[in-house]
Amino acid sequence: GESVGLHLPTLSVQEGDNSIINCAYSNSASDYFIWYKQESGKGPQFIIDIRSNMDKRQGQRVTVLLNKTVKHLSLQIAATQPGDSAVYFCAETTNDMRFGAGTRLTVKP
Amino acid sequence: GAGVSQSPSNKVTEKGKDVELRCDPISGHTALYWYRQSLGQGLEFLIYFQGNSAPDKSGLPSDRFSAERTGGSVSTLTIQRTQQEDSAVYLCASSLGGYNSPLHFGNGTRLTVT
Repeated sequence: GESVGLHLPTLSVQEGDNSIINCAYSNSASDYFIWYKQESGKGPQFIIDIRSNMDKRQGQRVTVLLNKTVKHLSLQIAATQPGDSAVYFCAETTNDMRFGAGTRLTVKP
Repeated sequence: GAGVSQSPSNKVTEKGKDVELRCDPISGHTALYWYRQSLGQGLEFLIYFQGNSAPDKSGLPSDRFSAERTGGSVSTLTIQRTQQEDSAVYLCASSLGGYNSPLHFGNGTRLTVT
């Protein structure tokens, strides 16, 4: 079946550096994508979303890029902080919402 | 609070017992989702409600799992004759409905089957 997945299961960055988390999706019919952040012991929290009629969307310190040609989604975090350490999930939506396996981001002080 | 509420937060049960997990969605949210997350793993889709009906039950792992939603609000996930492999965190989320509405998650119920 079609699925959402991630290229990198773990990512370690230095505090202050920029982080890039990647996600590949295979359902070409998907037209809405979301990035979630999950801290230990908590449910996932919404970070940013993007619709398929856009290729870039910016939030506070975060940017999501969508490349529909290669079915690739990325989350960029600027000036990464220790509080950004968490597992990040991408999700795609058609009738329901399916999640990728997640990437663990660790920020070293 | 205004967020999604799940109870209990932790549940330890003996193998073979039945358990009920409860989810109170955000008021006014018509869509409700259940996911399962094993330790260090991603989110496994279980079931999705729009109002009180479940158009997609494809993720329920076996017939021991069932879910209902009443009054377009509270939902319960029931696991009968629990097995050790059912041990996981069960997450509930709600949204305004429609495919382009973000999900709002509760903090989950951690189920341990001994």
